[in-house]
Amino acid sequence: QVQLVQSGTEVKKPGSSVKVSCKTSGVTFSSNAISWVRQAPGQGLEWMGGISPLFGPANYAQKFQGRVTFSADKLGSTSYMELSSLRSEDTAMYYCARNSGYHNVAYFDPWGQGTLVIDS
Amino acid sequence: EIVLTQSPGTLSLSPGERATLSCRASQSVSSSNLAWYQQKPGQAPRLLIYGASSRATDIPDRYSGSGSGTDFTLNINRLEPEDFAVYYCQQYGSSPLTFGGGTKVEIK
Repeated sequence: QVQLVQSGTEVKKPGSSVKVSCKTSGVTFSSNAISWVRQAPGQGLEWMGGISPLFGPANYAQKFQGRVTFSADKLGSTSYMELSSLRSEDTAMYYCARNSGYHNVAYFDPWGQGTLVIDS
Repeated sequence: EIVLTQSPGTLSLSPGERATLSCRASQSVSSSNLAWYQQKPGQAPRLLIYGASSRATDIPDRYSGSGSGTDFTLNINRLEPEDFAVYYCQQYGSSPLTFGGGTKVEIK
């Protein structure tokens, strides 16, 4: 079955960057876009943007423009999310999710297990 | 940006009862591009409903979605113990994609 497996917990200093990976298995990687969603502790879900491995370029939510970069390694079936200039409010669980199609405007199924990014 | 408002914030019900969750959009959601997700503590969200009323794979038929335009509803018939969780709606009719603030369904 389709599975998205993310990298492990990251503890980062303010001002630094973090790069989270998301490996897709069980399906053709390039056929669907991948989105990134974050969830602050005890809070709701926030869409950060998405990337289509086949079509690109990435589409970023305005809030994160200039601070986040999505990329995709087709050979490794892996997507990446890099967030720079980290601040305390970036402490959150970061999820990748497979879009319902190749476009960035979609619903999400399935989701990765999440990567916790903590401000040290 | 389409703002989604979910109500109530918390729903206290007993197993076997019916849950009715509301999701209201600040402007019309095109083509009923609305999804519902369930999230349990410590877990990632799981897709329940897409296209406002289509159940995702392996979702039991006690879950049903309805609505169009700006008003959407998720119904859960005969609540089972595993249904107590937080539920989010999401619109994917236009960018940026947005989520509602969530409704927690708790055991009364």
